[in-house]
Amino acid sequence: KNEVEQSPQNLTAQEGEFITINCSYSVGISALHWLQQHPGGGIVSLFMLSSGKKKHGRLIATINIQEKHSSLHITASHPRDSAVYICAGYQGGSEKLVFGKGTKLTVNP
Amino acid sequence: SQTIHQWPATLVQPVGSPLSLECTVEGTSNPNLYWYRQAAGRGLQLLFYSVGIGQISSEVPQNLSASRPQDRQFILSSKKLLLSDSGFYLCALLMLNTEAFFGQGTRLTVV
Repeated sequence: KNEVEQSPQNLTAQEGEFITINCSYSVGISALHWLQQHPGGGIVSLFMLSSGKKKHGRLIATINIQEKHSSLHITASHPRDSAVYICAGYQGGSEKLVFGKGTKLTVNP
Repeated sequence: SQTIHQWPATLVQPVGSPLSLECTVEGTSNPNLYWYRQAAGRGLQLLFYSVGIGQISSEVPQNLSASRPQDRQFILSSKKLLLSDSGFYLCALLMLNTEAFFGQGTRLTVV
């Protein structure tokens, strides 16, 4: 069982739609990263959070520590948001990042 | 601020040839460094990590090795590439405050 589980695996939306990507993680993970990977492969860090909520532009990330669950929301989605979004958990004990399998988002105009 | 330089961005190598991917870091000292691989259609898998010079931990048995000859340099190598070594290789830096930084990645195709 993967320590970080993401859903959905694939997501297609129309421009302007509100998008939610979910991430569940196991015990031992003390912080969550949300990453964006474009078709060329390069990865950009969007958020790192260990509690509460963070917002950057149209992106919002939330985390519920008790439920071990995090969500990434995109408001007013745009075709340029099309990418793979990856959730990664930081294991404090082992000092490692454990990655989810990613969610491929396609936003159609 | 911290940056990671990883090269090359793409690489096509024949089966049986050697491999050397280099990752260098700027803006921090004594970082934790990681090599990940992403096979086609799959998530990122940890290959090696290093907490200091000469200190390498291997996560999965494979045809690859890693070295850390300097504090800010992390190298992924192979003596003889296999077809199954094809994939996307990513170098990562993890800070003490758990911030993460990533190289641009290397897309390796073994032919």
